[in-house]
Amino acid sequence: AQSVTQLDSQVPVFEEAPVELRCNYSSSVSVYLFWYVQYPNQGLQLLLKYLSGSTLVKGINGFEAEFNKSQTSFHLRKPSVHISDTAEYFCAVSETSSNTGKLIFGQGTTLQVKP
Amino acid sequence: NAGVTQTPKFQVLKTGQSMTLQCAQDMNHEYMSWYRQDPGMGLRLIHYSVGAGITDQGEVPNGYNVSRSTTEDFPLRLLSAAPSQTSVYFCASSRSGRVTYEQYFGPGTRLTVT
Repeated sequence: AQSVTQLDSQVPVFEEAPVELRCNYSSSVSVYLFWYVQYPNQGLQLLLKYLSGSTLVKGINGFEAEFNKSQTSFHLRKPSVHISDTAEYFCAVSETSSNTGKLIFGQGTTLQVKP
Repeated sequence: NAGVTQTPKFQVLKTGQSMTLQCAQDMNHEYMSWYRQDPGMGLRLIHYSVGAGITDQGEVPNGYNVSRSTTEDFPLRLLSAAPSQTSVYFCASSRSGRVTYEQYFGPGTRLTVT
C-alpha cells in the first residue's frame, strides 16, 4: 500500500519570496508522483508529474519538483511566488502498474502568499 | 469543450434522504471516478469506471452507488444520507485508467447532511 505525507498543513510566504512544499511518500512498489493545485472554489488541476527519466520535473506556472528516490520525497518549489499562487496543493502517488486510475493523495498544504 | 461538469454545486440533506450527484464530461473519456475531500485527509476514491457498463469500488465505497450507462455520464447516488457523508465531492475523467494520462477534475459539489 502507498501513503503520502505532506509535512506542512499551511505555508505562509511573502510575495516574490521562494517557497518549498514538502511531500514524502511510502510504497513497496514503483510509483508515479504528482502535484495538483486547487484554487479557491475550483476543482484540482495538474501542476506536474514524475513518470520516469530526469528527476527534476518542470510544471505549469513556474513550479518544479525533484524526485528523490533515496529519501522518498517529491518536494515542490517555486523561486518567486505571486499572490495568484495562493491555493491548496496536493501531492499524490500511484502505482506504475495501476489501470484503475487510483491516486493516493496527501492531506494538502495551503500556500498563503502575502503582499 | 465544457470539460467535466458537476451538479448541483451545493446541497443540504437531512439524514436518511437520498439524492444523486451528477457528473458529465464531453471529452469522450473512457475513465471516470468520484472522490470525496475531507479536511486534513486529502481526496479519497469512492468509485470508478473504466468504460460504459463497467464500475468498481475505490477506497471508501460504503453508502454510495454508481452506474455508467453512457460514456458521458457517471452519477453518484446516496441512498440514505448520513452526517458522515458531509464532504466535498469531485468527479474526474481521463482517457483511460492508466495514471500516465491526466485526470481532469470537475468543480465539486459541497454536500452537508444534517
